[in-house]
Amino acid sequence: EAQVTQNPRYLITVTGKKLTVTCSQNMNHEYMSWYRQDPGLGLRQIYYSMNVEVTDKGDVPEGYKVSRKEKRNFPLILESPSPNQTSLYFCASSFGPRGSETQYFGPGTRLLVL
Amino acid sequence: AQSVTQPDIHITVSEGASLELRCNYSYGATPYLFWYVQSPGQGLQLLLKYFSGDTLVQGIKGFEAEFKRSQSSFNLRKPSVHWSDAAEYFCAVGAVNNDMRFGAGTRLTVKP
Repeated sequence: EAQVTQNPRYLITVTGKKLTVTCSQNMNHEYMSWYRQDPGLGLRQIYYSMNVEVTDKGDVPEGYKVSRKEKRNFPLILESPSPNQTSLYFCASSFGPRGSETQYFGPGTRLLVL
Repeated sequence: AQSVTQPDIHITVSEGASLELRCNYSYGATPYLFWYVQSPGQGLQLLLKYFSGDTLVQGIKGFEAEFKRSQSSFNLRKPSVHWSDAAEYFCAVGAVNNDMRFGAGTRLTVKP
């Protein structure tokens, strides 16, 4: 089954404790993205990747890091989480550029930073 | 950069009634337009998309949307809503430079 998986689905942590949210896709997509969803703001782009070792910032990259060492995986790293990073996070992948191609989304990771 | 406005934060319709969700965009060229649906506790799923050609686009689950260049709109419609359509709906506009913008979303409640 074609899918995007994210882990964990729910996470409660404390300020400053490094965490990683994993994302994996099995569709051999070149493009992958991370979004955060906040009430009244919709989805905002954090980072995206056009291929292995090629990443770029989105609209809200501060406080986040990403890496793309394998085509299927695109982890999101919060090195020192803060309460304003409490949000719902989505990973997505697409065959082509996200602006013109269908994106396939993971189920989301709900993060609470205390 | 492009932008998207969904004027309605929350809409309530009765089951069996028709539905129209509004979406207005701002972009200097011909946009790529999308509607995604997010069911409770799930990720987003594509309903339909418009790139070019026929301005009336058919999607999954009985949804359709019409691109109106003169009004910069891409409204989503369904003739008869089912209880399972209760969800949050996002309009999005994309560009050839790989940029992508989502609207703030419209939450749909369906009354029995």
